[in-house]
Amino acid sequence: DVQMVESGGGLVQAGESLRLSCKGSGFTFGSFWMTWVRQASGKGLEWVANIKPDGSETHFVDSVKGRFTISRDNSENSVYLQMSSLRVDDTAIYFCVRGIQDLDYWGQGTLVAVSS
Amino acid sequence: SHELTQPPSVSVSPGQTARITCSGSTLPRQYAYWYQQKTGQAPLLIIYKDNERPTGIPSRFFGSTSGTTATLTISGVQAEDEAVYFCHTPDNSGYSCLFGGGTKLTVL
Repeated sequence: DVQMVESGGGLVQAGESLRLSCKGSGFTFGSFWMTWVRQASGKGLEWVANIKPDGSETHFVDSVKGRFTISRDNSENSVYLQMSSLRVDDTAIYFCVRGIQDLDYWGQGTLVAVSS
Repeated sequence: SHELTQPPSVSVSPGQTARITCSGSTLPRQYAYWYQQKTGQAPLLIIYKDNERPTGIPSRFFGSTSGTTATLTISGVQAEDEAVYFCHTPDNSGYSCLFGGGTKLTVL
């Protein structure tokens, strides 16, 4: 079965950094774009970033440009989201998702909480 | 600007038909996708490329588009369909995407 498992979330203070990891299984990881989507408590979904299968191309929502980076290691079937200069409004569940347009498989998410 | 507008809530009785709309200026040029999110769960893709259903999604879920509006129709609504439904579409570049605000479907 296709599965994504996120890790690395936690409670940090504003201005600090955090690195999220996502390990995929059950599919040829290196053939797919991977995406991070976040959801603040009780709110809607927000696309955050994505990365091309070979890692050569990345895209970010404007609110995280310059603060977040996305990378992947296809040998480890993993994608990462490095988050720096975290702000209170970055607080959310972060989902790792397969795909770029048809986001067809989602992990269960990892919670990032940023305190002021 | 690139925005997708959904009604906050829709209510129907079991067995009735629910229609959830999603309006956005890019919809005539980009596919619409729909996700179902039940409480405490990750979203589930239920419609892709306007009207395609992934394997395992019941046929009572139907997607359609007309101009700047995409519509998710759920025929013969069941209690288990109670969830929040999000629409999604890529921007014109195809690389980033936007989600609608979500519609809470209540089964009375």
